[in-house]
Amino acid sequence: AQTVTQSQPEMSVQEAETVTLSCTYDTSESDYYLFWYKQPPSRQMILVIRQEAYKQQNATENRFSVNFQKAAKSFSLKISDSQLGDAAMYFCAYRSVTFGGSNYKLTFGKGTLLTVNP
Amino acid sequence: DAGVIQSPRHEVTEMGQEVTLRCKPISGHNSLFWYRQTMMRGLELLIYFNNNVPIDDSGMPEDRFSAKMPNASFSTLKIQPSEPRDSAVYFCASSRGTEAFFGQGTRLTVV
Repeated sequence: AQTVTQSQPEMSVQEAETVTLSCTYDTSESDYYLFWYKQPPSRQMILVIRQEAYKQQNATENRFSVNFQKAAKSFSLKISDSQLGDAAMYFCAYRSVTFGGSNYKLTFGKGTLLTVNP
Repeated sequence: DAGVIQSPRHEVTEMGQEVTLRCKPISGHNSLFWYRQTMMRGLELLIYFNNNVPIDDSGMPEDRFSAKMPNASFSTLKIQPSEPRDSAVYFCASSRGTEAFFGQGTRLTVV
């Protein structure tokens, strides 16, 4: 079974600065998807960014980018020019490519609570 | 599209009562997931459906929990009888490919 670990329960960053959230995972599969979801106080789960394991290029979405290290099974999220609205719980998630059984589910880490200081 | 719609947003019920949570997935999505979120256990998958058929219900905690998907546009999660330890936020999510889209969740409090 796949596991996802977020070792930082809480992080803080100054507005306009850069912060990196860590995520590691364990899998025996060679192809899979990785995601970062944001959960603000409204509790809505919002997809921030995704990465396909077969792609070597790191995904980027505006101020959000990832550092995907497949061999190390590491998938960190970098937030540049942090804004007050970035304050939220961030979840790293894993999903198998192969449909069937329990593999198709999203497996989540425990989350990292990000505080943005003005 | 309105996104995944869950109702109610909040539910407070007494122990022993039946609770039904509802979900309308995004039109055209063929996979539907029910997750439960608690402080202690984080986000856990309870059950998921593909083309209205339950594929994996290994996360359903016990027989008090049941889920149905009678058609492509509606699903329910029922707890009968409810217990205080069922208090949590319950999310429904739908997908037709790589990404899953979540509803706003139902916060259930069992007193």
